[in-house]
Amino acid sequence: SQQGEEDPQALSIQEGENATMNCSYKTSINNLQWYRQNSGRGLVHLILIRSNEREKHSGRLRVTLDTSKKSSSLLITASRAADTASYFCATVGNTGNQFYFGTGTSLTVIP
Amino acid sequence: DTEVTQTPKHLVMGMTNKKSLKCEQHMGHRAMYWYKQKAKKPPELMFVYSYEKLSINESVPSRFSPECPNSSLLNLHLHALQPEDSALYLCASSHGQGHDEQYFGPGTRLTVT
Repeated sequence: SQQGEEDPQALSIQEGENATMNCSYKTSINNLQWYRQNSGRGLVHLILIRSNEREKHSGRLRVTLDTSKKSSSLLITASRAADTASYFCATVGNTGNQFYFGTGTSLTVIP
Repeated sequence: DTEVTQTPKHLVMGMTNKKSLKCEQHMGHRAMYWYKQKAKKPPELMFVYSYEKLSINESVPSRFSPECPNSSLLNLHLHALQPEDSALYLCASSHGQGHDEQYFGPGTRLTVT
């Protein structure tokens, strides 16, 4: 499969805790993106990190990228019940023609 | 307007029916995408249109036929579908093809009976 692999598949935490999910991929990339999907709805873009970047922040989100290990992580700090959703990484290949979603992490934040 | 709209929200069709899914965006994006998503799985890319021309067809069966009438509209024509084609069909758009973030519509939930 050309998809990224994410772990864990499912994560359950208490409100206020931090959530970390990881994405590993197989081929070289131009950038890696993270998306959120609430149950049965469309995806929402969260953050994009380019292959020459190592870390990026957006509000309560922190993304890291290690191209030597072909892996990325998404950290959500001070989680809220509203963060309950599925989170997908998506890798974009160098030609721009390859756009593949990872297997996803289902996050449940318990109030 | 940063919205991608999709109609209908839900569709139930028989295996002999012909139906169409519609997608619209008014963000001036020049790339539009169709994805298929089964329950608890990631979206799978089906088609990509760039500047109104089909640029990627990910080996999708011919019973799915995309159409891009203009830069704001994207259709997916359905004919002789199978029950295993039941899924959430997502449309997305981006400024240009490939490297940019994608904006997704809410999807059409398709059930084939």
